[in-house]
Amino acid sequence: AQSVTQPDIHITVSEGASLELRCNYSYGATPYLFWYVQSPGQGLQLLLKYFSGDTLVQGIKGFEAEFKRSQSSFNLRKPSVHWSDAAEYFCAVVSSNTGKLIFGQGTTLQVKP
Amino acid sequence: EAGVAQSPRYKIIEKRQSVAFWCNPISGHATLYWYQQILGQGPKLLIQFQNNGVVDDSQLPKDRFSAERLKGVDSTLKIQPAKLEDSAVYLCASSLTSGGQGTQYFGPGTRLTVL
Repeated sequence: AQSVTQPDIHITVSEGASLELRCNYSYGATPYLFWYVQSPGQGLQLLLKYFSGDTLVQGIKGFEAEFKRSQSSFNLRKPSVHWSDAAEYFCAVVSSNTGKLIFGQGTTLQVKP
Repeated sequence: EAGVAQSPRYKIIEKRQSVAFWCNPISGHATLYWYQQILGQGPKLLIQFQNNGVVDDSQLPKDRFSAERLKGVDSTLKIQPAKLEDSAVYLCASSLTSGGQGTQYFGPGTRLTVL
C-alpha cells in the first residue's frame, strides 16, 4: 500500500538558518510527489511537485526538494528560513490512476527570531 | 482566477445533529475531492468526483456521510448524525484532470466542532 512518512513531527530553527524536512514514501511504481504548506486557518498551498526528470525541483518561496529513488525520499530544503515560513508542511504521494493524494502526518515548523 | 470556495468556515454542533458543507471548485475543474483532516494528522480522502460521478468513496463512512455534486460543479458534503470523532477540518480540492499529474488546489476548509 502507498504511504508517506514524515519522521519529524515538530522542528524549530532560527531565522536565517537552513532547513531540511524529511519525507519517505512507499510506492510500487514511479511516484508523483508533492509538498504542501498549511498556515494556521488556511488551506493547503502547493510548494512544489515531482513527476519525472531532474531530481532536484524548485518551488515557490525559495523551497526546493530532491527526489532520491534509492532512499525512497523526497526531502524539502530551504537555505535561509524566514519567520513567515512558520507553518505545517505536508509531503504527499499520488495514485497515478485516480489522482488520490496520500499525505504524511505533517511537520510543524517553528521559527525562532 | 478565483480559488476553491468553501462555506461555512466554522461550524459548531452537538452530537447527533446534522451538518452540511458546501464547495465551489475552480471554474472548469472536472475533478473534485473532499478530505477530512483531524487535528495532528494529514488530510485523508473521503470522496472523489469526476464531473458528477463518484470515482472513489472507499473511505467515506456511508452510514452517516453523504456527498453529491449536482451538474458537475458545486458539491455538498453532509454528516447525519454527527459523532464526536467527526470533529475535524473538511477540505475541498479541485483539479483540471483526475490523473496523477492533475495538481489539486485546496479551499480554506470548514472547521467542524462536535460537542
